[in-house]
Amino acid sequence: NAGVTQTPKFQVLKTGQSMTLQCAQDMNHEYMSWYRQDPGMGLRLIHYSVGAGITDQGEVPNGYNVSRSTTEDFPLRLLSAAPSQTSVYFCASRSGTGRSEAFFGQGTRLTVV
Amino acid sequence: AQSVTQLGSHVSVSEGALVLLRCNYSSSVPPYLFWYVQYPNQGLQLLLKYTTGATLVKGINGFEAEFKKSETSFHLTKPSAHMSDAAEYFCAGNTDKLIFGTGTRLQVFP
Repeated sequence: NAGVTQTPKFQVLKTGQSMTLQCAQDMNHEYMSWYRQDPGMGLRLIHYSVGAGITDQGEVPNGYNVSRSTTEDFPLRLLSAAPSQTSVYFCASRSGTGRSEAFFGQGTRLTVV
Repeated sequence: AQSVTQLGSHVSVSEGALVLLRCNYSSSVPPYLFWYVQYPNQGLQLLLKYTTGATLVKGINGFEAEFKKSETSFHLTKPSAHMSDAAEYFCAGNTDKLIFGTGTRLQVFP
């Protein structure tokens, strides 16, 4: 009964390094998304996907890339990390209808120094 | 454009007091509306949701919310706060994308 699994839980990067945050879900959900959470700003949508092979930008996409080659996986790539990307990142998935609740991973706490 | 506004970033109540967390939405089409709760160092979990039908929605842990289209509001209430309710609460709306408010941190004092 895994739900949404994010790895790693914690990560420290140096400015300019690249990395991939992993997200996998086992509920056969079509819709997956990435959010970042910053104090006082709630959760802001970075990128989302409505199905394999389809991705789109959210509110704050700059500096991040995504791809969706399978239904289960939705990795988030930071190409050249910046201190402004220090945040807590959450992956979420839901079934295709807008009335469905989103299920969240436990989060990845990223620090860029 | 769709948006969700939560009034009050911090709310403090005494144990046993009424909890009221405010949420307003802005959308040309009323979205599906959700309240999520986040306990420290955890992900978000669903408290309740409004899709269609009855405008008073009951959720887990004694929380409920009322959808009021005329006021574009979806406020969250609980008649009697418990210490275990201390957490951060997020209102969210979904038309084509799930958009969150900025959150309200609830403190409960003994």
